[in-house]
Amino acid sequence: SQQGEEDPQALSIQEGENATMNCSYKTSINNLQWYRQNSGRGLVHLILIRSNEREKHSGRLRVTLDTSKKSSSLLITASRAADTASYFCATDNENETGANNLFFGTGTRLTVIP
Amino acid sequence: EAQVTQNPRYLITVTGKKLTVTCSQNMNHEYMSWYRQDPGLGLRQIYYSMNVEVTDKGDVPEGYKVSRKEKRNFPLILESPSPNQTSLYFCASSLSGWAAVDGYTFGSGTRLTVV
Repeated sequence: SQQGEEDPQALSIQEGENATMNCSYKTSINNLQWYRQNSGRGLVHLILIRSNEREKHSGRLRVTLDTSKKSSSLLITASRAADTASYFCATDNENETGANNLFFGTGTRLTVIP
Repeated sequence: EAQVTQNPRYLITVTGKKLTVTCSQNMNHEYMSWYRQDPGLGLRQIYYSMNVEVTDKGDVPEGYKVSRKEKRNFPLILESPSPNQTSLYFCASSLSGWAAVDGYTFGSGTRLTVV
C-alpha cells in the first residue's frame, strides 16, 4: 500500500539554489525516512526523523515533520549538479502490526543545472 | 564492505521460463524485502521476510515466490514469467525493518525484461 506522495513530481533548479521537496502520507507513523536514487540504481538512505521530532539536519539536508498535517519536507541547501537524482520519502504504518515494512512514495525527480 | 548483492544486474528471458534473482546481504540483517519499480508507480513491495523461514506477501506478490532458508539470502523466484513482470527489481535489507536508524540498504537492482 503506497503511503507517501511526493510533490512536486519533478523539480529543476540552478546549481547553488535550494531545493525543497514535500511528502504527504496517510496513516499515523513511527518514523519517516528520505532516500535518494540515482538513475536506475538502488536507493540510498539519507535521513530518518521520528514522529516525536519536528526537524532534523544532516550536512546540507534539512528535514521537517508535521504529524498533524501528515507531511514532511526535505530541503537541500546550496545544491550541486551531483544532487541530481530522484528523492523518495518512506514511512511505516503504525496501524500495521506484526510487520516491519516501509512504504515508499513515487518520488521527486530533481535536476540541478550546472 | 556492508552491502546487498543482487544478481544478475540485467536479464532478458522468454515467457514461461523459470528464473531466480539472487539477493545476499553481509550485515546480519533480520529483515529483507523485494520491491519492483515501475514508471509512475514508485516502489511496490512483492514479499518480505522478518527472519529465517518467515516470509510474507507484500502488495504485489502474484507470480512470485521467495524463500529464506538462511539469514543472508533471500532469492526471488519467477516460476512462469510473463511480460507484465518486466520491471526493475530491488532487494533491500534492514537490521529491524522500519525501526532501524540506518534505514534500508538496497541492492543495485535487476532489470528484467520478459519477451
